[in-house]
Amino acid sequence: GQQVMQIPQYQHVQEGEDFTTYCNSSTTLSNIQWYKQRPGGHPVFLIQLVKSGEVKKQKRLTFQFGEAKKNSSLHITATQTTDVGTYFCAAGNQFYFGTGTSLTVIP
Amino acid sequence: NAGVTQTPKFQVLKTGQSMTLQCAQDMNHEYMSWYRQDPGMGLRLIHYSVGAGITDQGEVPNGYNVSRSTTEDFPLRLLSAAPSQTSVYFCASTPRGRDRGNEQFFGPGTRLTVL
Repeated sequence: GQQVMQIPQYQHVQEGEDFTTYCNSSTTLSNIQWYKQRPGGHPVFLIQLVKSGEVKKQKRLTFQFGEAKKNSSLHITATQTTDVGTYFCAAGNQFYFGTGTSLTVIP
Repeated sequence: NAGVTQTPKFQVLKTGQSMTLQCAQDMNHEYMSWYRQDPGMGLRLIHYSVGAGITDQGEVPNGYNVSRSTTEDFPLRLLSAAPSQTSVYFCASTPRGRDRGNEQFFGPGTRLTVL
């Protein structure tokens, strides 16, 4: 399967601070997806990136796809308690998932 | 639409028992897949199907069988349960195909414990 490394594994932030998680691959990716999983829940699709250098925004969330299509990032501005959960990237035609970044937001 | 449904929600098995985890979707999606989720390891792909009658192996297929006789259903069978198969199992579907997108829709999961 496609190896996708995700860092960091855990992140604790104070409410209002920013948060970033990174997804890296040794091979060129055709596309990359991002998902959010709330504690005890199931993954929910956030977005898909396809083009080299693509940047997409959803309110406080910014998603980037690297120029070489080997890495991607998700950045959250001014975190809120509703952002708590685990964020996963998934890549390739069979959607191989990274190990996820668990975000804790301290009020 | 119910989306993706999974049954049962919880299951406890003894080592060596067999069982089938059910997954169904009512969105007419071609592509379906099964994942297992273990702490610190993300979601690992077990098997997937690109359409009725077609299945293929993912990253961790050993100990599991699948079949896809209809577009709607994609059951996962544990042949002889082992404690290493204790996990949360998610089924997902995606429309695929031109102009239909690649968003994966996940079921609520089945929490399996093998004693």
